[in-house]
Amino acid sequence: GESVGLHLPTLSVQEGDNSIINCAYSNSASDYFIWYKQESGKGPQFIIDIRSNMDKRQGQRVTVLLNKTVKHLSLQIAATQPGDSAVYFCAEIYSGYALNFGKGTSLLVTP
Amino acid sequence: SQTIHQWPATLVQPVGSPLSLECTVEGTSNPNLYWYRQAAGRGLQLLFYSVGIGQISSEVPQNLSASRPQDRQFILSSKKLLLSDSGFYLCAWSPLGQGGSPLHFGNGTRLTVT
Repeated sequence: GESVGLHLPTLSVQEGDNSIINCAYSNSASDYFIWYKQESGKGPQFIIDIRSNMDKRQGQRVTVLLNKTVKHLSLQIAATQPGDSAVYFCAEIYSGYALNFGKGTSLLVTP
Repeated sequence: SQTIHQWPATLVQPVGSPLSLECTVEGTSNPNLYWYRQAAGRGLQLLFYSVGIGQISSEVPQNLSASRPQDRQFILSSKKLLLSDSGFYLCAWSPLGQGGSPLHFGNGTRLTVT
């Protein structure tokens, strides 16, 4: 979920388990949402996106769910691998410009 | 394919010194360009964005400035750095005019002001 203060929330999962990372967005008019993965010392990498006319979208091992009623977004990672360890954050976009990025959730995959 | 380059990767500068970070994009024309700052444990803060040469919008008033001298070049500058300018600076681009497209990020510049 969203962070409080300077500490990112951390999700610890075992290798092979499924992971669910949550995000609450702020603008009900946002029409486009993106999940990013950021490894230490690198720029964010695009994972998957979803438009507001959808409530679910699947990629390779990842699924994004959108609940516009409660302004909630989630990222599901199937069969989590050590290489999935990173900070994940969502972004809400309005009219093509990045409106807001969440502070992120740190995913730690243990063997 | 499109690529984005940022340099330098790391930079240590004394307080009061000037700053110039450069970002270039290849493989696309007329991109939207962005500068973000990421402080430790925090989200991305949009500093500037540009929809064309010489067109800069500032999101946060501060002692930083941005320029876009060429279509695919975006520069972040400061005349006098403050300690609070330390952070991880990210450049990003997105296709112009498409209603909602992913931003693609460079690998960032880690700036430490001492």
